Amino acid sequence: GENVEQHPSTLSVQEGDSAVIKCTYSDSASNYFPWYKQELGKGPQLIIDIRSNVGEKKDQRIAVTLNKTAKHFSLHITETQPEDSAVYFCAAFGNEKLTFGTGTRLTIIP
Amino acid sequence: SAVISQKPSRDICQRGTSLTIQCQVDSQVTMMFWYRQQPGQSLTLIATANQGSEATYESGFVIDKFPISRPNLTFSTLTVSNMSPEDSSIYLCSVDTSNTGELFFGEGSRLTVL
Repeated sequence: GENVEQHPSTLSVQEGDSAVIKCTYSDSASNYFPWYKQELGKGPQLIIDIRSNVGEKKDQRIAVTLNKTAKHFSLHITETQPEDSAVYFCAAFGNEKLTFGTGTRLTIIP
Repeated sequence: SAVISQKPSRDICQRGTSLTIQCQVDSQVTMMFWYRQQPGQSLTLIATANQGSEATYESGFVIDKFPISRPNLTFSTLTVSNMSPEDSSIYLCSVDTSNTGELFFGEGSRLTVL
């Protein structure tokens, strides 16, 4: 089955700086890669995604890149704000299943 | 997108009892999934619940422990049977409205077993 690894497990950045979270996947058949943000006591919220026919996608301060050859994808958050503090999960979709990474706890330091 | 409502939002249960979690969606969806999130951990797929067929369970999860019902295209239930403290987790319902892997999640049901 699919295996998704995510790094780092925790990340602290100064407000206004950038944050980068990286994931690798194992199944070359996976073709959809979403990122979720989970705030305390809430369910995961889809914030951005990318499909395997695209190398990069951007939505305001958030961007995702995908390297199919290397089987890795990354989340980039620029100009970080306190409300960006949360746990972020990457995921890979293949064989009709979504497999999640282990999560990154992002803390924005005011 | 979809609006997903789960009940209960949280509960405290005694060892050996069972609890049924309800998931209601505001639109008809074919694919519905149940996930477990243990404290401080990632999300693990328990089973896929498609209307009109038996739920498909992932390795490590069995129907006797986690029976699922899917009576129609907007509703599903997950029962956690004969609970032990190890079942203390958040249980999350999710749906794929476009059959493309884009999953939307409910707020989860936080279960504590004493």
